[in-house]
Amino acid sequence: GAGVSQTPSNKVTEKGKYVELRCDPISGHTALYWYRQSLGQGPEFLIYFQGTGAADDSGLPNDRFFAVRPEGSVSTLKIQRTERGDSAVYLCASSLKGEVLTGELFFGEGSRLTVL
Amino acid sequence: SQELEQSPQSLIVQEGKNLTINCTSSKTLYGLYWYKQKYGEGLIFLMMLQKGGEEKSHEKITAKLDEKKQQSSLHITASQPSHAGIYLCGADRWGGAQKLVFGQGTRLTINP
Repeated sequence: GAGVSQTPSNKVTEKGKYVELRCDPISGHTALYWYRQSLGQGPEFLIYFQGTGAADDSGLPNDRFFAVRPEGSVSTLKIQRTERGDSAVYLCASSLKGEVLTGELFFGEGSRLTVL
Repeated sequence: SQELEQSPQSLIVQEGKNLTINCTSSKTLYGLYWYKQKYGEGLIFLMMLQKGGEEKSHEKITAKLDEKKQQSSLHITASQPSHAGIYLCGADRWGGAQKLVFGQGTRLTINP
């Protein structure tokens, strides 16, 4: 497809388990972002990649959260030892570096994580 | 308190009526972004404002950024059912739009 693709769309796991969420950005977009959205709240920034490197990971809440983008395209958000408070919708977005000035981030539909 | 405060938190209007959503920042912004979100979907970009006093329009939606770049309003004229959803303002406080701080959203319902 032409848009940002996120898998899985829904994930239910038990407390303490390991989870991976995948984001496939729009082809050619060098910038990739992860946000987290809790119920009734706006999205909260987690991490930003420019190419393969994490340019800003200041939003990751603790060391249980880690994200990679080894080839500068697909990214995986990894959550270790999940806690009930991790339950949220995890949104991925991408943009062309040059389009940052237009402000347009292209968002995926999100991965809804539920930790029981 | 939120860095960005949106008001109202929810709004119900009759189809065809005009409405305004406000977004207030406690700090001066590099840019202010408006997005729309429908349930189960990602955010859709509406417009970006950078200059104090700037105003932009897209179809029946107009957004303004005040001179001090700390408050923005989103105005919808002659609302339609397709306008229903959650409107989110996002602030760029550092420049470059790599990291946006979002408000909590305004849920808009349009009654036929």
